[in-house]
Amino acid sequence: DAGITQSPRHKVTETGTPVTLRCHQTENHRYMYWYRQDPGHGLRLIHYSYGVKDTDKGEVSDGYSVSRSKTEDFLLTLESATSSQTSVYFCAISERGIPEAFFGQGTRLTVV
Amino acid sequence: ILNVEQSPQSLHVQEGDSTNFTCSFPSSNFYALHWYRWETAKSPEALFVMTLNGDEKKKGRISATLNTKEGYSYLYIKGSQPEDSATYLCAFDTTDSWGKLQFGAGTQVVVTP
Repeated sequence: DAGITQSPRHKVTETGTPVTLRCHQTENHRYMYWYRQDPGHGLRLIHYSYGVKDTDKGEVSDGYSVSRSKTEDFLLTLESATSSQTSVYFCAISERGIPEAFFGQGTRLTVV
Repeated sequence: ILNVEQSPQSLHVQEGDSTNFTCSFPSSNFYALHWYRWETAKSPEALFVMTLNGDEKKKGRISATLNTKEGYSYLYIKGSQPEDSATYLCAFDTTDSWGKLQFGAGTQVVVTP
């Protein structure tokens, strides 16, 4: 299994509170991604990173920010959580020359 | 709106039967088509990555084909077993946004003994 760890695995939080999800990899892959998974939508890209301090928006980036200060860590922050951000969040990593992307086990976030 | 479409959304299969389902994707800017197997509470697991028109890949009882000109891929499961129960996701990768996979909504397969 690829060395990807997401934390926390489960979180319940209140509307309006900030939340940070962490993705940690031990594979030294350059590219990291945050996706959210909702019924009927598949996985949708929130943000991605192509290197330390290099990040860009995906298709559903509103309400989210990211940071990557080290190769191994990619943080996703919900500045002020809303109920529409209740979802399962997946981190993924990839590298040029390696065909497949590898996924973490997901974080189930519930905003009440 | 998903550019990648999977059908059917779900299917129920008797153990021992074979089945197949479809992934449709845009035929322009094609780079690769990925298939993932996803069980609830686990990580999506890569099954195949296909890049060439006409590609056929096989892993055990599961195989996939690719037609980039018409924009579709089939996944086949031969002799389904209960452990094949999962959601199968396809994802489309383009030449102009490599790595930013566009996923379909998945086909949920339930194999009953």
